[in-house]
Amino acid sequence: QKEVEQDPGPLSVPEGAIVSLNCTYSNSAFQYFMWYRQYSRKGPELLMYTYSSGNKEDGRFTAQVDKSSKYISLFIRDSQPSDSATYLCAMSAGSGGGADGLTFGKGTHLIIQP
Amino acid sequence: GAVVSQHPSWVICKSGTSVKIECRSLDFQATTMFWYRQFPKQSLMLMATSNEGSKATYEQGVEKDKFLINHASLTLSTLTVTSAHPEDSSFYICSAYSGRETQYFGPGTRLLVL
Repeated sequence: QKEVEQDPGPLSVPEGAIVSLNCTYSNSAFQYFMWYRQYSRKGPELLMYTYSSGNKEDGRFTAQVDKSSKYISLFIRDSQPSDSATYLCAMSAGSGGGADGLTFGKGTHLIIQP
Repeated sequence: GAVVSQHPSWVICKSGTSVKIECRSLDFQATTMFWYRQFPKQSLMLMATSNEGSKATYEQGVEKDKFLINHASLTLSTLTVTSAHPEDSSFYICSAYSGRETQYFGPGTRLLVL
């Protein structure tokens, strides 16, 4: 079993829909959870950063962490064609979120249809 | 803020040659820099962690004599792929950590070894 599982998709939804992206993980030591967006042939761009369980909202994005289920989610409201990209979940067990190497999921390829 | 650059963005070289990739944090000082590798349709995999002025720490399975890392200053880290072979062809991405929040990634360097 891989440490982080993420459905690679593609996930295709119409413009304006609510998108739900998910990852599961097996390492209970993970404490820091991140979502990155990656466009083709580009480096990942940080979207959300959360610590421990709960929700965090930033504009159209909401990150949710359920440590008891080892499950994290990213919701995108009012999705736009410009949101089309690959979304990577990443996590860390370290004492400070970015101080240790991150473990990534494979990424979900999201397509927003105009 | 939190901009990380990489140079070159892409490189093609002959088998057996060495290639150097630079990673710079442009608007912050990075206490730690990381090097990742991403093969097609695979997740980013951590190769090594480097702290300024210290020897890099390599992940299991990554040859330290083949992937030389130098972290000479708080804004610059270099990765040298020595005696590159076709199987080293990949997307190499660095990230930088300032001590706050999480890592910020560079745009990546695509290496093709012929």
